[in-house]
Amino acid sequence: SQQGEEDPQALSIQEGENATMNCSYKTSINNLQWYRQNSGRGLVHLILIRSNEREKHSGRLRVTLDTSKKSSSLLITASRAADTASYFCATDGGSYIPTFGRGTSLIVHP
Amino acid sequence: EAGVVQSPRYKIIEKKQPVAFWCNPISGHNTLYWYRQNLGQGPELLIRYENEEAVDDSQLPKDRFSAERLKGVDSTLKIQPAELGDSAVYLCASSLDWGISTDTQYFGPGTRLTVL
Repeated sequence: SQQGEEDPQALSIQEGENATMNCSYKTSINNLQWYRQNSGRGLVHLILIRSNEREKHSGRLRVTLDTSKKSSSLLITASRAADTASYFCATDGGSYIPTFGRGTSLIVHP
Repeated sequence: EAGVVQSPRYKIIEKKQPVAFWCNPISGHNTLYWYRQNLGQGPELLIRYENEEAVDDSQLPKDRFSAERLKGVDSTLKIQPAELGDSAVYLCASSLDWGISTDTQYFGPGTRLTVL
């Protein structure tokens, strides 16, 4: 079963716009991670946020975590065509073992 | 630094045939994971190794799937016999350790299996 669910399933934007995707999960977590997967390539770790953190930044990425709502969001600012990929959240359900959602497919048009 | 290496990258077999996947994790990484990713889905954990010990294998279909990690380094995942529903991408990942200190899993490119 999949613990986290991303929303929306698909997102299409123009280059330079911001992209926001959300992740909701069901059980308590120790940490939540976001990964990116380009077509035909492996998963790449983007950012990890721990349950006692509310916000983290990494370059153009901003992740927030609201444990009371069991949700997280990933914001990509000033998107580029190279950001086109599927984005997955992975939660550990308190066991430190990541469980992935179905992903959000992001298309950034040049 | 070399990443996680997997081979083969692609495999096409007929149902009921056996198939094996190989993974070489990043040097020094104690934890190794095998995932299966179906089309349009996120990866699902099949098995996790801590050094050479297999833990968290509850999602591994043990009637046809087997895995081993010799000497706590390389790992192989085997399916025998393969079924049509086994068509998927099989991903290997490694991390330095696991638990509260675990920050990142590093994934290999995966093996795309097609069962005809």
